Amino acid sequence: DTAVSQTPKYLVTQMGNDKSIKCEQNLGHDTMYWYKQDSKKFLKIMFSYNNKELIINETVPNRFSPKSPDKAHLNLHINSLELGDSAVYFCASSLRDTGYGYTFGSGTRLTVV
Amino acid sequence: GDSVTQMEGPVTLSEEAFLTINCTYTATGYPSLFWYVQYPGEGLQLLLKATKADDKGSNKGFEATYRKETTSFHLEKGSVQVSDSAVYFCAWARNNAGNMLTFGGGTRLMVKP
Repeated sequence: DTAVSQTPKYLVTQMGNDKSIKCEQNLGHDTMYWYKQDSKKFLKIMFSYNNKELIINETVPNRFSPKSPDKAHLNLHINSLELGDSAVYFCASSLRDTGYGYTFGSGTRLTVV
Repeated sequence: GDSVTQMEGPVTLSEEAFLTINCTYTATGYPSLFWYVQYPGEGLQLLLKATKADDKGSNKGFEATYRKETTSFHLEKGSVQVSDSAVYFCAWARNNAGNMLTFGGGTRLMVKP
């Protein structure tokens, strides 16, 4: 009965590969997000979807492509992985405009070698 | 531009010491303010929040007061425990504007027995 679940938890892959991270929430939230956390713990918003529509797309290389098949799922596909993509990626969800804050997943640690 | 600034860590305290982690924000309008906590190997969890000036958020012995005059939302706890060791993030969200959270850089707290 996990609220926001991400898979996989760990991902080790070689440079140049393509990989996907999946996220699902069962909270009935209408908005989902992807954040990237670097080695210094700094969190940066990447994307946000509201009811399957992209509403935030920060300056992210176009090798990163989010996909939201429905409002309970937001997947992140990364093409041609680079060393600098190594980080922890967090999915989160919220009810837009309620001020209740986010519920986060437990993160996916991506290591590119 | 809009931002959140929090004190750099790590903050190292002995058990039962008093904790303050400073947070100031720069934002137009009247944002909602949050503190999130990240325990080792986990995602972020909402610790407390305040949605308007002079509100005090509190949870698990932690408190923070929304001070509009000083644009601050400092986190305090009267007596820390070893189990409070974590990274703490201050964040704000513009009300009624998509709920997007802007995070500070995080402050690592280490509590020694």
